[in-house]
Amino acid sequence: DTAVSQTPKYLVTQMGNDKSIKCEQNLGHDTMYWYKQDSKKFLKIMFSYNNKELIINETVPNRFSPKSPDKAHLNLHINSLELGDSAVYFCASSQTSGSLGELFFGEGSRLTVL
Amino acid sequence: GENVEQHPSTLSVQEGDSAVIKCTYSDSASNYFPWYKQELGKRPQLIIDIRSNVGEKKDQRIAVTLNKTAKHFSLHITETQPEDSAVYFCAASGNDMRFGAGTRLTVKP
Repeated sequence: DTAVSQTPKYLVTQMGNDKSIKCEQNLGHDTMYWYKQDSKKFLKIMFSYNNKELIINETVPNRFSPKSPDKAHLNLHINSLELGDSAVYFCASSQTSGSLGELFFGEGSRLTVL
Repeated sequence: GENVEQHPSTLSVQEGDSAVIKCTYSDSASNYFPWYKQELGKRPQLIIDIRSNVGEKKDQRIAVTLNKTAKHFSLHITETQPEDSAVYFCAASGNDMRFGAGTRLTVKP
């Protein structure tokens, strides 16, 4: 029983392409997140959704668009991929908004842009 | 917004020694301070956390201390083992969770 699952695990694509990463959690949590981890291992929050509503939108290029069809899913679509988008993208969830509890991370999706 | 600084960025110890990682935060409204361990190629996982109404918490070989006045908190690992080798992240949370830059801990057998 995977608590937070994301697909695909690996993604290799050319500059300029559009790609999506999907995330699902079966923990019944209200809040979901996308984090980007670069080559230096820094974990940077990108977006946070609480019960399908966007509550955090960091300074992320508008080529990145999150979509939450329901509170168990938070997908990430990236348009016009650039070399600097290469990173590991982690989806996470927590029981409540405000991040006052444990974050449960997915396994990560390693995106390589050539 | 919250800004979390973490030191050192790398730490190498001999098996059996202690390891200490320190973090500072900027937002006095932050009231939850978790620590995550990320093994190579794996997801970050919570190892211990502390809330602002507590000064210290211990779980077997790991302990965390919090000084709210000075806005700093630390992770202490005693009797380190090779399997403790990983990247450790501190975080501070009020309205959202912000992570430190990580510490790569290497425990040499």
